[in-house]
Amino acid sequence: AQSVTQLDSQVPVFEEAPVELRCNYSSSVSVYLFWYVQYPNQGLQLLLKYLSGSTLVKGINGFEAEFNKSQTSFHLRKPSVHISDTAEYFCAGNTGKLIFGQGTTLQVKP
Amino acid sequence: DGGITQSPKYLFRKEGQNVTLSCEQNLNHDAMYWYRQDPGQGLRLIYYSQIVNDFQKGDIAEGYSVSREKKESFPLTVTSAQKNPTAFYLCASSTRITETQYFGPGTRLLVL
Repeated sequence: AQSVTQLDSQVPVFEEAPVELRCNYSSSVSVYLFWYVQYPNQGLQLLLKYLSGSTLVKGINGFEAEFNKSQTSFHLRKPSVHISDTAEYFCAGNTGKLIFGQGTTLQVKP
Repeated sequence: DGGITQSPKYLFRKEGQNVTLSCEQNLNHDAMYWYRQDPGQGLRLIYYSQIVNDFQKGDIAEGYSVSREKKESFPLTVTSAQKNPTAFYLCASSTRITETQYFGPGTRLLVL
């Protein structure tokens, strides 16, 4: 079955600390992968995407993700988070339609 | 500015009533989508359209209907057959079905 799994429902972290949000995809999912961010009561904003080429993808707001085909993972990272990064983050894969993970709430504490 | 607009921001439905959510895009995208978001459940696809005058059911189409008479517009009707309509509804569009999707700001539907 096609699936995208986000391994953590909540990730608490202190401000200026590094963070990693984990995402695994099933091998049947196309290797078009995305990370979106959602602030409260807003739509989804594209953070970054992997379509082909370099496995390290840089996105907006200092985020980056690494595509790992052997581990079927696409983890999102940021070396130093800010309070303003507090939001819901969604990993998604495109199989002809977008398959979303369940979301990870990033809680940045002062 | 190019983008996707959804209206209204909040919508209230009475028992047995049909309500229509608006989605408009000026990105010249061929494909448009409707998703439903419930807490802790991620996003689920309701309907999508790859081209004008054509649309397909997604994973949870029961109780919903759509039309695609214009490229820019993809309204969603929540019918009285949808027994649990309270949710956040998101519209998205892309150049083609396999391309990056861009999202509108959402409509929150509440039942009175």
